[in-house]
Amino acid sequence: DAGVIQSPRHEVTEMGQEVTLRCKPISGHDYLFWYRQTMMRGLELLIYFNNNVPIDDSGMPEDRFSAKMPNASFSTLKIQPSEPRDSAVYFCASRGQEVYEQYFGPGTRLTVT
Amino acid sequence: QKEVEQNSGPLSVPEGAIASLNCTYSDRVSQSFFWYRQYSGKSPELIMSIYSNGDKEDGRFTAQLNKASQYVSLLIRDSQPSDSATYLCAVNRVADKLIFGTGTRLQVFP
Repeated sequence: DAGVIQSPRHEVTEMGQEVTLRCKPISGHDYLFWYRQTMMRGLELLIYFNNNVPIDDSGMPEDRFSAKMPNASFSTLKIQPSEPRDSAVYFCASRGQEVYEQYFGPGTRLTVT
Repeated sequence: QKEVEQNSGPLSVPEGAIASLNCTYSDRVSQSFFWYRQYSGKSPELIMSIYSNGDKEDGRFTAQLNKASQYVSLLIRDSQPSDSATYLCAVNRVADKLIFGTGTRLQVFP
């Protein structure tokens, strides 16, 4: 299995620009999670989906953040407009229906200047 | 009180020794517990899961769970320099969400 795939691996953008992060979960996994990791706040859950439906977006910091999952094999996290404080590593993780173990992708390191 | 607490470390142990990593959690209804290893600049990697009180062994790793004390630990036997990483404790507290601790940095010196 290829594991969770994320793109891009690195993104450098200027403040005010739109940023789109992409994730392909492990085939057959019904849950998809978006996390953000910073030194100050650690690993934070932003939003998660079950069967392509957003279940809990309480961790999304503000309206500038949005996430979609149009099908079982693709999800996006969009930041518009981006700000320097959004600089972090964004991880996508997935898991199966009957188990709680989550598997992480390689992450996207976002730098907003 | 944080939901999942870990000592940030660093925990320094000599090569060949046993490294003991600890984690406490606040919610008694928590049912599932996980240890992830994260190398610098990499993503968290699942190394152990435990659901029942007691010990669970996998190779050099042993996870220990005590629900009465709300305590979960990870023992690494015969520690190697390649074990040097940050170890994250995660707890399944509510529905499908995992709550992560801030991690303990382990350093294994030759």
